[in-house]
Amino acid sequence: RKEVEQDPGPFNVPEGATVAFNCTYSNSASQSFFWYRQDGRKEPRLLWAVYSGGSEDGRFTAQLNRASQYISLLIRDSKLSDSATYLCVVSFTGGGNKLTFGTGTQLKVEL
Amino acid sequence: DTEVTQTPKHLVMGMTNKKSLKCEQHMGHRAMYWYKQKAKKPPELMFVYSYEKLSINESVPSRFSPECPNSSLLNLHLHALQPEDSALYLCASSQDKLADYEQYFGPGTRLTVT
Repeated sequence: RKEVEQDPGPFNVPEGATVAFNCTYSNSASQSFFWYRQDGRKEPRLLWAVYSGGSEDGRFTAQLNRASQYISLLIRDSKLSDSATYLCVVSFTGGGNKLTFGTGTQLKVEL
Repeated sequence: DTEVTQTPKHLVMGMTNKKSLKCEQHMGHRAMYWYKQKAKKPPELMFVYSYEKLSINESVPSRFSPECPNSSLLNLHLHALQPEDSALYLCASSQDKLADYEQYFGPGTRLTVT
């Protein structure tokens, strides 16, 4: 079983749709959880640091469920500019901030 | 300002060349990282420096040699690379190497080995 699992997609959605990315992790000692987005051949950019429960910022909602070892990212009213690969990233106590990346989920928002 | 800079942006080198990649951050971060990313794959950790000391080496071949001259700079020296080493090399930094701290990535150096 992979340490961090994501659906690779691609998710092709029309503009204005709601899309959800799900991620599961296997290491119960995992401590910190992040969503990064990566546009094409550019570097990953930090989108969200998820510390507990859920949080919302505009069109985005991130949730963490430690009991189920599950993280999610919800994008509402999706825009063309949301098209990117979304990487679920986990680090754990004792790992020295060694990030474990999921394979990423590709999102394509279409007109 | 969460900025990590890397030079050069692109590098083409032969298998007998010696070259260096450079990374700089001015955020006062004390942990710096080198990652390698192949196309359509997530980044893979290569090295971690914490307070200018090598903390993690992910069994990287010796043809890659990291160096941390000071708390703001991180270099990756390359020698006798193979074509399969062609990839995007990303530098990142974080406030500390503890798991809670977010890592910020530089734009990367796209390396081609011929």
